Amino acid sequence: NAGVTQTPKFRILKIGQSMTLQCTQDMNHNYMYWYRQDPGMGLKLIYYSVGAGITDKGEVPNGYNVSRSTTEDFPLRLELAAPSQTSVYFCASSYPDRVGYTFGSGTRLTVV
Amino acid sequence: AQKITQTQPGMFVQEKEAVTLDCTYDTSDQSYGLFWYKQPSSGEMIFLIYQGSYDEQNATEGRYSLNFQKARKSANLVISASQLGDSAMYFCAMSVAQGAQKLVFGQGTRLTINP
Repeated sequence: NAGVTQTPKFRILKIGQSMTLQCTQDMNHNYMYWYRQDPGMGLKLIYYSVGAGITDKGEVPNGYNVSRSTTEDFPLRLELAAPSQTSVYFCASSYPDRVGYTFGSGTRLTVV
Repeated sequence: AQKITQTQPGMFVQEKEAVTLDCTYDTSDQSYGLFWYKQPSSGEMIFLIYQGSYDEQNATEGRYSLNFQKARKSANLVISASQLGDSAMYFCAMSVAQGAQKLVFGQGTRLTINP
């Protein structure tokens, strides 16, 4: 069982560049989430999805976009990268009626 | 809006001692869940324990227990007989029972276990 797979694990971007962080889960979870973790801080919700075709904003959505065309995939798009987006990004998934998430291992992004 | 407060940036404990990590929360919802996660230096998020707002008994999972005091809005994590491998960041988090399990996290407590 792979669980939640995030790629890449590390990435350095230049200011103004764009990229997509990939997230795939093989547990048939309905719910998927993207969080960011700034140094020394807790996680903050960027976007979430309750099913294919349905996405919604979290606490810190500015500068990001998501899509959910399948149950398995939930990519996060960064447009016009800024230094403030330097962070560790976690993807997670869960069932609607069960407690707890499965987290991916994270993507460490640096914008220079 | 929901808020989680962890007031201990760092804790230092001798191996084999018990340790309590503090967490207070704020919400106007009656139905909510409280979580504790461990984040070792490798960076992954490890689920430790969960307490529902209507659960009458404090949750326990092995060496972990959650001291839930609803009136005080506190959900402290107690680790009994600490081990060197318990050294990590610990995060308290909350979700409300409205659709997706969106979590609000505290800032975390860095726990260091000394031999």
